[in-house]
Amino acid sequence: AQRVTQPEKLLSVFKGAPVELKCNYSYSGSPELFWYVQYSRQHLQLLLRHISRESIKGFTADLNKGETSFHLKKPFAQEEDSAMYYCAPMNYGGSQGNLIFGKGTKLSVKP
Amino acid sequence: GAGVSQSPSNKVTEKGKDVELRCDPISGHTALYWYRQSLGQGLEFLIYFQGNSAPDKSGLPSDRFSAERTGGSVSTLTIQRTQQEDSAVYLCASSLERGYEQYFGPGTRLTVT
Repeated sequence: AQRVTQPEKLLSVFKGAPVELKCNYSYSGSPELFWYVQYSRQHLQLLLRHISRESIKGFTADLNKGETSFHLKKPFAQEEDSAMYYCAPMNYGGSQGNLIFGKGTKLSVKP
Repeated sequence: GAGVSQSPSNKVTEKGKDVELRCDPISGHTALYWYRQSLGQGLEFLIYFQGNSAPDKSGLPSDRFSAERTGGSVSTLTIQRTQQEDSAVYLCASSLERGYEQYFGPGTRLTVT
């Protein structure tokens, strides 16, 4: 079964500090991975998708197939980055196409 | 254009009653998904529609849960004989096709008393 692990429930950093939100997955085959973010009182929204290799709001994520990781990084955290972050591989098994969400990491950026 | 919309935004119901939750996907999106977000379980997948068909209903937590989609657009999730453990935020998402980015609605917060 496919699984995704986000080991940190809560990550607290000071403004301007680097931040790394960890994500490890188990998947057979080539995974399609996403990071979603939920700001306070807002919808769950797509942050980035590994296949696009984009940098969104200063965040990047590199897929490491050897370590089966897809950690989210930002060199200088901002207070507005405080939110709940979810790592989610896409399930292509069978006839599904759903996302499999981790438990999420709450990022708190302090001034 | 408009995003995914869901109604009602909040629903409080008594244990044992039936509830219907509605999702309006982004126009033109053929794939539609239902998820449930609860404190204990995090974000769980419930069911996926491609057009009007749900190829696999195994994600639904019990036979009290059912869902349908008509006209390749609006979907309803029905929970019969609600139980307290059904209390959660029910999220709907749509994507252009299976495998594309999913766009989420604001959710329906269901409270079963």
